[in-house]
Formats: sequence, structure tokens, C-alpha cells
Amino acid sequence: EVQMVESGGGLVQPGGSLRLSCAASGFTFSRYSMNWVRQAPGKGLEWVSYISTSGRITYYADSVKGRFTISRDNAKNSLYLQMNSLRAEDTAVYYCARDQHWELPHYLDGWGRGTLVTVSS
Amino acid sequence: DIVMTQSPDSLALSLGERATINCKSSQSVLHISNNKNYLAWYQQKPGQPPKLLIYWASTRESGVPDRFSGSGSGTDFTLTISSLQAEDVAVYYCQQYYNTPPTFGHGTKVEIK
Repeated sequence: EVQMVESGGGLVQPGGSLRLSCAASGFTFSRYSMNWVRQAPGKGLEWVSYISTSGRITYYADSVKGRFTISRDNAKNSLYLQMNSLRAEDTAVYYCARDQHWELPHYLDGWGRGTLVTVSS
Repeated sequence: DIVMTQSPDSLALSLGERATINCKSSQSVLHISNNKNYLAWYQQKPGQPPKLLIYWASTRESGVPDRFSGSGSGTDFTLTISSLQAEDVAVYYCQQYYNTPPTFGHGTKVEIK
């Protein structure tokens, strides 16, 4: 069974940093590109970032470019999101999601349950 | 960025009725090279993560009941639930993956009347 479990969320002050992790199991992690997608409370879905299977290709939403860094460790079946200079508008549930294309974001066929990030003083 | 516009914002139907959700993209998501529409549909039930229902505009994901179907091409797409069931109460999102960044519609909430 495809499973992804996010962790690392919590309450952080504006300007602070947080590192999210996503532990994947039930599939060959190294063969799939991955994404982070977020959902602000009561709002819709917003794509955040993409990383290719090898980690060499990454993309970011303009809203997080220069502040967030996506990475992966295929040996540990893990995906990460380093979030710096956090703002109130970054408050959201962050989902880890599996992609079906090797070098461009496509459709997402597996999602974790998410981890909540709250940016507030 | 491609803007995805869904309609209606919400709909309430009786059990067994047909539900129709529309999604319009600000530019065509049909790739001429492979004649595929880069459009997916997701279902998000309360308190749960999204779940993929449809990709390439009309291909049903494995395990998705056949009462769910997707249609359309170019800029206009439709998700149809042929006979609404209680377990279909959810918010439905369309997503284009023709361009990066991939973008989602704002969602359509489906409820039982």
C-alpha cells in the first residue's frame, strides 16, 4: 500500500524556520518524483514545490521561491521541505504527494495526511 | 499561470441524482503532440487528503467507481457523478498540469439535499 507520512509541522513565529519530512513506503520511492502541496485553513489546494526522481530538477511556486527548499534522500525513502523566512500566509496543512512524471509536475496519485504549519506570534 | 475556474461553487442533490461539475482553464491544456488533455480531478472528503479520481481528463484512476467520469477538451471540462451516493459528499478540485506551476480550481462542494 502506498503510504506517505508527513512530520515536522508546528507553531513557528514569523521569520522563523521549519523543516518538514515525508516518509514514504509501499512503493519504490526512487522511481517517483514528488511534490509538496499546501492547503490554508478552509481554503483550496496550492502547489508548492516539485522534485524529480534524482533530485536534480526542482520547481517552486513564486510565493515560496527563495524561501523554501525541497530535497530528497532516496536511500531513506524521504522527502523534505526546508522552510525559511516564514510568513503568516504560509499557515497551512502541507501534503506530500507522489507524481506520475519524472521531470515535470503532473497529476498526483498518492497523498499523505498532511502536517499543519502555523505561523503566528 | 493558467487559471482554473470551477462552477458551481457548491451543489446539493438528492441521493441517486446526477452531479455535474464544470472546470474551465484560462488557456488550452490540450497538448497537440500527443492529443492529451493535461487535466486531473481530485476528491477531498472532510478531514482527509485529496484523492485522485481522473487524469488525462477522462481516465479513471484504479479503484474509482465507474459512476465518476470525466469529459471535455481544450479549455472546458466536466466531472460527472452519474448517481450520487452518500459517500460522495466532498469537495472536488480540477488541476491542470499542462504548465508549471500546476494549478487547481477553487473547488466545488457536493452535498446531499
